[in-house]
Amino acid sequence: ETVMTQSPATLSVSPGERVTLSCRASQSISSHLAWYQQKPGQAPRLLIYGASTRATGIPARFSGSGSGTEFTLTISSLQSEDFAVYYCQQYYNWPLTFGPGTKVDIK
Amino acid sequence: QVQLVESGGGVVQPGRSLRLSCAASGFTFSRYGMHWVRQAPGKGLEWVALISFDGGNTYYSDSVKGRFTISRDNSKNTLFLQMNNLRTEDTAVYYCARELSYNMDVWGKGTTVIVSS
Repeated sequence: ETVMTQSPATLSVSPGERVTLSCRASQSISSHLAWYQQKPGQAPRLLIYGASTRATGIPARFSGSGSGTEFTLTISSLQSEDFAVYYCQQYYNWPLTFGPGTKVDIK
Repeated sequence: QVQLVESGGGVVQPGRSLRLSCAASGFTFSRYGMHWVRQAPGKGLEWVALISFDGGNTYYSDSVKGRFTISRDNSKNTLFLQMNNLRTEDTAVYYCARELSYNMDVWGKGTTVIVSS
């Protein structure tokens, strides 16, 4: 099983700041990496797939990068609606696995 | 609009069974694979199962293999998850999600399953 880790566990930021979230895979997953956003009481929303492709309707302030085992999600200027938990997910190996999540909260 | 609506959750005793449903609308259901993903209280996301667009292929996490069965009825635009021999650790919100290249691009709001004596 490919184990996904995310850092940091929690990130306290102010609106307007640039945010960088990290995700690491226990083995190479090429670019088979997706990012999801989940707000309290809501279902997750797909942000990025293929490590760097924004899903339909996702604002350009969200960008993804990386390949192999190291990946990054960047929010160029954090908006109030971006405070949430962010999960990465690999789809290179079975079973599909998620990281534990990074919570982005208000500083 | 594209929509997924789960149902069938509830409180069940350990060892019993439950069947979840997911009604799809707003897209051609028979062209898409479908996932079940769960989230235990206060925890992260856990992928449970995937079924191909025609039902011909199914995949499961090790934690549910042999106990859960994913299936679909394309004539009724409905996805199912038959859960047998439930354990307390199966307590979670269960989401159905549409597949996009093994990702999940559309999610339902979830249905809650509580396994407790």
